[in-house]
Amino acid sequence: QKEVEQDPGPLSVPEGAIVSLNCTYSNSAFQYFMWYRQYSRKGPELLMYTYSSGNKEDGRFTAQVDKSSKYISLFIRDSQPSDSATYLCAMGAGNNRKLIWGLGTSLAVNP
Amino acid sequence: NAGVTQTPKFQVLKTGQSMTLQCAQDMNHNSMYWYRQDPGMGLRLIYYSASEGTTDKGEVPNGYNVSRLNKREFSLRLESAAPSQTSVYFCASSSDSLGYEQYFGPGTRLTVT
Repeated sequence: QKEVEQDPGPLSVPEGAIVSLNCTYSNSAFQYFMWYRQYSRKGPELLMYTYSSGNKEDGRFTAQVDKSSKYISLFIRDSQPSDSATYLCAMGAGNNRKLIWGLGTSLAVNP
Repeated sequence: NAGVTQTPKFQVLKTGQSMTLQCAQDMNHNSMYWYRQDPGMGLRLIYYSASEGTTDKGEVPNGYNVSRLNKREFSLRLESAAPSQTSVYFCASSSDSLGYEQYFGPGTRLTVT
């Protein structure tokens, strides 16, 4: 079993939809949780960064961490065609500078 | 402010050839990373450098060497390329103490025939 599991999709939604992207993990030592966005043929860019459990909101994006269930989510409200990309979750335990990455979920938002 | 730059953007090598991938950052970051990204395998860490003068192995270091030339530059060398090293290579840098807020370059697409 991989340390981090992420459904690769693809996920296709109409413009304006609420999108839910998820990752599960097995290592209870993870305390730092990130979502990166990667456009086609580009490098990943950091979207959201959270520590421990709880919610964090930034504009149309909300990151949620449930450590008891070992489950993290990224919600995108009022999705736009410009949100079409691959979304990668990444996690760290805080002690070795190494991120553990999900495989990414491909999202297409259709006008 | 160019961020993280990588050269070359594309490269085709024959099996057994060597080459160096170059990476530079102008954000004064301490940490730098080399990843490879393959379909179905995701991003895998090859080597990283927590600070100038130090390098450490990541998840998949075999067949690669690195040099942290100075604070700005971190190069990745393939001494004898193999078809299994066909991949997209990303360099990243980070300033935070844990190294998790990473800024990525545009990538190098390498094909080994």
